[in-house]
Amino acid sequence: AQSVTQLDSQVPVFEEAPVELRCNYSSSVSVYLFWYVQYPNQGLQLLLKYLSGSTLVKGINGFEAEFNKSQTSFHLRKPSVHISDTAEYFCAVSDQGDMRFGAGTRLTVKP
Amino acid sequence: SQTIHQWPATLVQPVGSPLSLECTVEGTSNPNLYWYRQAAGRGLQLLFYSVGIGQISSEVPQNLSASRPQDRQFILSSKKLLLSDSGFYLCAWSWTSGSYNEQFFGPGTRLTVL
Repeated sequence: AQSVTQLDSQVPVFEEAPVELRCNYSSSVSVYLFWYVQYPNQGLQLLLKYLSGSTLVKGINGFEAEFNKSQTSFHLRKPSVHISDTAEYFCAVSDQGDMRFGAGTRLTVKP
Repeated sequence: SQTIHQWPATLVQPVGSPLSLECTVEGTSNPNLYWYRQAAGRGLQLLFYSVGIGQISSEVPQNLSASRPQDRQFILSSKKLLLSDSGFYLCAWSWTSGSYNEQFFGPGTRLTVL
C-alpha cells in the first residue's frame, strides 16, 4: 500500500521569500500525486496534480511541484510567497483508486 | 459543474447527544463519497467511504456510523457523542471511473462536543 511523508510539520517563512514543502511517497506501482491547500476553517482545495507526462507541474497561485521518481518525491515550491499563502498544505498519493494523505505542513508567512 | 455541500457549518453538542451531519453532491451521478475527520492540529483521518447507495466501508472502528440513502447524499451519525468526537469533519467525492481518484472536498463542519 502507498504512503506519504511530509517531512516538515511547520514551515515559517518571510513574505516574498521562496519556499519548498517536502513530500516523499512510497508505492509499489505507478502513482498519481497531488497537493491540496486548506485555509482556516475551510475544505481542501486542489493546488496541482501529477498524472503523467512532464515531471514539472504548475498549479494555481504560482505554485509548482516536481515529480522525481528516483527519489520518490513530489516537493512543492513557490519562488515568492505572500501573506495570503498562510495555510495547511497536504500532499496525497493515489494508486489503483485509493488515495492517502500526508500529515500536512503548516506554512506561515510572516511580514 | 459539480458542487458539494455540507451542513451544518458549525455545531456544538453535549456529550452523550446524537449527531447527524449531512453531505450532498450536485452535478454528477454515482460518485464515490468519503467522510474525513481532522482533530485539532492533526491531519486527515478517513472515517468512511461509499461506492454506491447502501454500500459503506469503515476505516476506523468508533462510535460513528455512515449511511448513503440516496446516490448523492452521505450522512455521518452517532447515537452518543464523546468528547473525542470533536473536530473538523470533511466530506469529499470522486469520480468512480478513472484510477487516479482525485477527490473534491466540501467546506466542512466544525463539531465541538462539550
